[in-house]
Amino acid sequence: NAGVTQTPKFRVLKTGQSMTLLCAQDMNHEYMYWYRQDPGMGLRLIHYSVGEGTTAKGEVPDGYNVSRLKKQNFLLGLESAAPSQTSVYFCASSSWTGAYEQYFGPGTRLTVT
Amino acid sequence: AQKITQTQPGMFVQEKEAVTLDCTYDTSDPSYGLFWYKQPSSGEMIFLIYQGSYDQQNATEGRYSLNFQKARKSANLVISASQLGDSAMYFCAMSALTGNTDKLIFGTGTRLQVFP
Repeated sequence: NAGVTQTPKFRVLKTGQSMTLLCAQDMNHEYMYWYRQDPGMGLRLIHYSVGEGTTAKGEVPDGYNVSRLKKQNFLLGLESAAPSQTSVYFCASSSWTGAYEQYFGPGTRLTVT
Repeated sequence: AQKITQTQPGMFVQEKEAVTLDCTYDTSDPSYGLFWYKQPSSGEMIFLIYQGSYDQQNATEGRYSLNFQKARKSANLVISASQLGDSAMYFCAMSALTGNTDKLIFGTGTRLQVFP
């Protein structure tokens, strides 16, 4: 039981390049989330999903897109990376509304030059 | 608007002593949850403890306890008998019901350093 995994762990992009971050969970959770963490700040929600085929915007959605084609996977895409998107990205999942606990992945450190 | 405030950027504590990390929150929702997460230098987010807004008793998990004072809107984390491995960033978070799912709102964190 791996929990929540994220791929890749590290990535360096040039401005304007695109990439996709993959989050996978094996806990059969309905809800999945993407957060970003910047220095001196807590985590901020980018997008989330309440089930397969559904997505919704969080607090800081601009510049990102997401897809949830399979229940266990939640993809975060950057179409045209900007230096302001340099951050650590965390994926999380939880089992039901009235969430008791969100389980987090190990994070992806992204640098955009 | 919901908000979490952690006013202590950094805290020091000697090994085996207890330490309290402060957290205040703001919400108009009657139903909410309060969480504490630990983030060691390795970067992962580790769930520590949860308190529901309707829970009558303060939550406890081993050496961690949550001092929940609803009228003051505070949810302080108390770590008893600190260990060197407790050195980490600690984040307070609140679940905010939006749409049909709870989203977490995080504070800016407190860096705890435990010294021998």
